Amino acid sequence: ETGVTQTPRHLVMGMTNKKSLKCEQHLGHNAMYWYKQSAKKPLELMFVYNFKEQTENNSVPSRFSPECPNSSHLFLHLHTLQPEDSALYLCASSQERRNGELFFGEGSRLTVL
Amino acid sequence: KQEVTQIPAALSVPEGENLVLNCSFTDSAIYNLQWFRQDPGKGLTSLLLIQSSQREQTSGRLNASLDKSSGRSTLYIAASQPGDSATYLCAVGDNNNDMRFGAGTRLTVKP
Repeated sequence: ETGVTQTPRHLVMGMTNKKSLKCEQHLGHNAMYWYKQSAKKPLELMFVYNFKEQTENNSVPSRFSPECPNSSHLFLHLHTLQPEDSALYLCASSQERRNGELFFGEGSRLTVL
Repeated sequence: KQEVTQIPAALSVPEGENLVLNCSFTDSAIYNLQWFRQDPGKGLTSLLLIQSSQREQTSGRLNASLDKSSGRSTLYIAASQPGDSATYLCAVGDNNNDMRFGAGTRLTVKP
């Protein structure tokens, strides 16, 4: 496999559920990112990890919890979400945080009922 | 705080036409600028990356220019095709490579 892979592609959850989004990159990159894309709004940066260390938390509510066990994998744990959290969640990677081109996955479409 | 604006929000052209998409940003102290393409319901595909020291980049029918002093970038698409129909996003990177995105231009190329 090549590139950035996200699973699941679609997720429907209730407000009391706990679920996780997974991202895996096969590019040998050291920085990974979570972005949120809501309808008719620009992409919003949520979290940044550089060499497995979280370097940015862009004032994201605590109901979103990221995890980066190694440079190739990134998770977004979700719990007690709100309907307004429904969006496309995109994972991206780059060589390092301060260097280079961003490569995105296909996204996970989340619907919160 | 960096703000990125893309005009127009939507554009419809006949096949074969050359076209220009615009991106403007408020803070000229950028590290790089990247153009992406996004098809409906899909992720972003990187088209061109311009470093702050560069003036333009070319890939096939695409040419992106950067004028930092005026806070502008353009994406030129030559001989447009229906397969070029997508949303085009501009993103501006700061020294941490944190990218600030525009809202995009939705392009439709009619056969």
